[in-house]
Amino acid sequence: GQQLNQSPQSMFIQEGEDVSMNCTSSSIFNTWLWYKQDPGEGPVLLIALYKAGELTSNGRLTAQFGITRKDSFLNISASIPSDVGIYFCAGPGTGANNLFFGTGTRLTVIP
Amino acid sequence: DSGVTQTPKHLITATGQRVTLRCSPRSGDLSVYWYQQSLDQGLQFLIQYYNGEERAKGNILERFSAQQFPDLHSELNLSSLELGDSALYFCASSGPGSMNTEAFFGQGTRLTVV
Repeated sequence: GQQLNQSPQSMFIQEGEDVSMNCTSSSIFNTWLWYKQDPGEGPVLLIALYKAGELTSNGRLTAQFGITRKDSFLNISASIPSDVGIYFCAGPGTGANNLFFGTGTRLTVIP
Repeated sequence: DSGVTQTPKHLITATGQRVTLRCSPRSGDLSVYWYQQSLDQGLQFLIQYYNGEERAKGNILERFSAQQFPDLHSELNLSSLELGDSALYFCASSGPGSMNTEAFFGQGTRLTVV
């Protein structure tokens, strides 16, 4: 079945540090989405990518759609305590009529 | 506020019971998705509806069913509940195109089966 693997699984960083995480797929995607989930809340869409090689920013967040179309990367610059949460990548599932989520990267920012 | 409304926010029920979770999508969105998230787990896709029709099915148990009504709100019915069904259930909506686009999530319903 389709798999979306995210790494690392978890990260502990100091406030002010930059963060990098990635997502790899077992199949080619035409869309990559990045979400953040705070504890007990619904995921919130951060960035959407639609073209191989595309680099898109949203404030301190930058995401890239990998050239192979099987991976995507999310970077957070100058982390702050409110960046804490779980970051999920997502893309079209088989049949392209559902949204398939990665395993998540749990980020902890130490003040 | 994503514009997606889920009720109730919390639900506690006994094993063997049946519950209904409700979702109102964002205004204008035709697609509704349901996801299950167990403790510290990822989001498992259950089912998608588009404009009242079932569009895609994921790992949804036979004890679970859903529907989308003419006013586009959706309900997820969970029956013969087991302890393992305790989880956060999220609804998301997107649209108006029929292909999945950016999905916006509700706050979720936390179901506890005791």
